[in-house]
Amino acid sequence: QKEVEQDPGPLSVPEGAIVSLNCTYSNSAFQYFMWYRQYSRKGPELLMYTYSSGNKEDGRFTAQVDKSSKYISLFIRDSQPSDSATYLCATRKGSQGNLIFGKGTKLSVKP
Amino acid sequence: DGGITQSPKYLFRKEGQNVTLSCEQNLNHDAMYWYRQDPGQGLRLIYYSQIVNDFQKGDIAEGYSVSREKKESFPLTVTSAQKNPTAFYLCASRTGDHEQYFGPGTRLTVT
Repeated sequence: QKEVEQDPGPLSVPEGAIVSLNCTYSNSAFQYFMWYRQYSRKGPELLMYTYSSGNKEDGRFTAQVDKSSKYISLFIRDSQPSDSATYLCATRKGSQGNLIFGKGTKLSVKP
Repeated sequence: DGGITQSPKYLFRKEGQNVTLSCEQNLNHDAMYWYRQDPGQGLRLIYYSQIVNDFQKGDIAEGYSVSREKKESFPLTVTSAQKNPTAFYLCASRTGDHEQYFGPGTRLTVT
């Protein structure tokens, strides 16, 4: 079983829709979780990070961690065409700050 | 402007040649990373460095080498021993315990 699994999509939604992006992880010791957004041919940019369980909100974005089911989610409200990108989940492994990434979900928001 | 720069953006080489990818940061971060990204594969860790003059192999270090002589710089050499060098290469640096920030990437094509 891979340490972090993410459905690659692609996911296509109409403008204004609520988007739900998800990852599962295998190790219950993981505590820090991150979401990155990557536009085509660019480097990933850090969107949000959360620690342990619960929700964290930033504008139209909400990151959620459910440690009991080892499930992390990113919700995008009122999605815009500019949100079209690949979204990568990541978690910290070990004490040296190394990250493990999911394979990314490609999102397309249609006007 | 603070950030991470990678050069060049596109690089073309003939098979059998070594090539060095540049990564520079002015964020005063101690830790730096090199990843490789292939379609459908997500990000895979090649090498990382927690401090100047020290570095460790990541998950796919074979055929690559690095140096860390200055805090600001972490160049990656793709050697002729790397079987499939064509990929998108990403450099990152870390602040705090886990937040990694990425450069814009270098797309290497070897023919």
